[in-house]
Amino acid sequence: NAGVTQTPKFQVLKTGQSMTLQCAQDMNHNSMYWYRQDPGMGLRLIYYSASEGTTDKGEVPNGYNVSRLNKREFSLRLESAAPSQTSVYFCACGKGQGQGSSPLHFGNGTRLTVT
Amino acid sequence: AQKITQTQPGMFVQEKEAVTLDCTYDTSDPSYGLFWYKQPSSGEMIFLIYQGSYDQQNATEGRYSLNFQKARKSANLVISASQLGDSAMYFCAMRVNYGGSQGNLIFGKGTKLSVKP
Repeated sequence: NAGVTQTPKFQVLKTGQSMTLQCAQDMNHNSMYWYRQDPGMGLRLIYYSASEGTTDKGEVPNGYNVSRLNKREFSLRLESAAPSQTSVYFCACGKGQGQGSSPLHFGNGTRLTVT
Repeated sequence: AQKITQTQPGMFVQEKEAVTLDCTYDTSDPSYGLFWYKQPSSGEMIFLIYQGSYDQQNATEGRYSLNFQKARKSANLVISASQLGDSAMYFCAMRVNYGGSQGNLIFGKGTKLSVKP
């Protein structure tokens, strides 16, 4: 099925370890996004990529880096994980420029626990 | 500042009854879009319905409708004839930078709906 694929689905890290969350979309969309979801906080934007070759910070970028590898793939890296980064991470894609009424399409999420 | 407020952390509704989930928004941009998503316990985000700021009529999609009151800056989701499968978290979201390339959504904190048999 067409959509957004995230790997892994679950991950447990120790404080200080690093990891990369992978995201790939086959919807031929230009924009990609990383959100985190915490209880009672809704979804908050970490980073986004409006188009291939560009990335920008969102609301909560500290402790993260991103790479837009190509039009399909957008990865999120935690260089030195902290317990505060325990969360559910969602990748999403959208049509891009002037997308107006088009919704974002989300992956199924990665549940990350940092001990 | 652009913001979405959902004031109901949790709601209960009897099966087959209608329920309204509240959403208010704040923006100074005349062009904006409002979205509702459903997140069941399995965790995926499911797009339900969209309302544009210039739309003259309230949006409807099957059992979902949007009660859009622009002057009050509210965009409440109405679910008619509730079903057990409607039990989920519901998020209201607003698109920022409507005509531009950024296009991300800002989300409210969500309302957890429980449908009772």
